[in-house]
Amino acid sequence: GNSVTQMEGPVTLSEEAFLTINCTYTATGYPSLFWYVQYPGEGLQLLLKATKADDKGSNKGFEATYRKETTSFHLEKGSVQVSDSAVYFCALTRTKTSYDKVIFGPGTSLSVIP
Amino acid sequence: NAGVTQTPKFRVLKTGQSMTLLCAQDMNHEYMYWYRQDPGMGLRLIHYSVGEGTTAKGEVPDGYNVSRLKKQNFLLGLESAAPSQTSVYFCASSYSNVRVAGANVLTFGAGSRLTVL
Repeated sequence: GNSVTQMEGPVTLSEEAFLTINCTYTATGYPSLFWYVQYPGEGLQLLLKATKADDKGSNKGFEATYRKETTSFHLEKGSVQVSDSAVYFCALTRTKTSYDKVIFGPGTSLSVIP
Repeated sequence: NAGVTQTPKFRVLKTGQSMTLLCAQDMNHEYMYWYRQDPGMGLRLIHYSVGEGTTAKGEVPDGYNVSRLKKQNFLLGLESAAPSQTSVYFCASSYSNVRVAGANVLTFGAGSRLTVL
């Protein structure tokens, strides 16, 4: 079946450090891939997405590239800020059907300290 | 533009009591969803709806009922609350048309924290 695996957290980084959160997936067909972010006390919101192989999604300094050969969609940011402290969820959905549920990874908690 | 609004934000129930969580969206989305979020369990889909008047079970539907009488509203009911239903509940919505630029992107509400004693 379809699934998403993320690196275990929590991750703690100093401000301005480089961030990588690994995400790999198992899916039939050609899924769309997403990163959602959940700030403390809030709901999830879309951070970035990619809909086909080799696409790069980017937003707020975060980037992720859809790698079909390694079935990965790792999230990166060159210099994190305290305001990036949140839980990050990798997710996928297939786009070929009229309805297809979104499959979320377990989430990775990130804490950025000054 | 309010997006997805959930009420109430917090609620404490005693075992066996009933309650309804209300979700309202103003984006004309066809699809709506109810998730629960528990520590170490991630997000789990309870029920979803692909249109007005239709609902379907997700991964963890037991103990919950839903209704979608109007396109913009999706109600989640607990008929007889149990401590295992203590959780944070999130409603979400999305477009149905995969050709729309925002298709497959979920818009979430801020959550409803439910405690069952």
